Amino acid sequence: AQTVTQSQPEMSVQEAETVTLSCTYDTSENNYYLFWYKQPPSRQMILVIRQEAYKQQNATENRFSVNFQKAAKSFSLKISDSQLGDTAMYFCASVSTGAQKLVFGQGTRLTINP
Amino acid sequence: DSGVTQTPKHLITATGQRVTLRCSPRSGDLSVYWYQQSLDQGLQFLIHYYNGEERAKGNILERFSAQQFPDLHSELNLSSLELGDSALYFCASSVAENTEAFFGQGTRLTVV
Repeated sequence: AQTVTQSQPEMSVQEAETVTLSCTYDTSENNYYLFWYKQPPSRQMILVIRQEAYKQQNATENRFSVNFQKAAKSFSLKISDSQLGDTAMYFCASVSTGAQKLVFGQGTRLTINP
Repeated sequence: DSGVTQTPKHLITATGQRVTLRCSPRSGDLSVYWYQQSLDQGLQFLIHYYNGEERAKGNILERFSAQQFPDLHSELNLSSLELGDSALYFCASSVAENTEAFFGQGTRLTVV
């Protein structure tokens, strides 16, 4: 079975700092994708970044980047120059053809302080 | 705007009632997923449809059912509602079965 684990329930940093959110996953599939979703107080789910498992290069989207360690089954999200608008719940997720669903971690509540 | 439309946005109903939540996926997306999120909880997978066929089912109660129609919109039916069914119900769609999904704004269901 596919599982995703986020071990940090809450994190808090000052504005403009860099923060890293951790995620580990487990899957027996070879072809899978990994994602980070953001859920701000509005509770809308917003896709932040995606990583294809067969690509070794880490994905980057503006201030958001990932550290994908396939052998360790680790997929962390780094937010650089954090902004107040980054305050949200962040969910790590994976999907594979075999699983037929997006599997989510428990979430990390990130607070950016002014 | 993700392109996924869910209606209604809010729904208040009494225990024992039945409701239908509707989801229109993004244009061209064949997969539709339904998730339930209770207050301060994670996302619980309910069901996945691909091009009209049920592909996977999560911990979906027998009181709940869903379907995807030929025009690819989907409906989630919740019956014999209980207080504990109060939650945010998300629909998400993706172009294929193993790629990223885009979420609608959710339907906030309150059972009183």
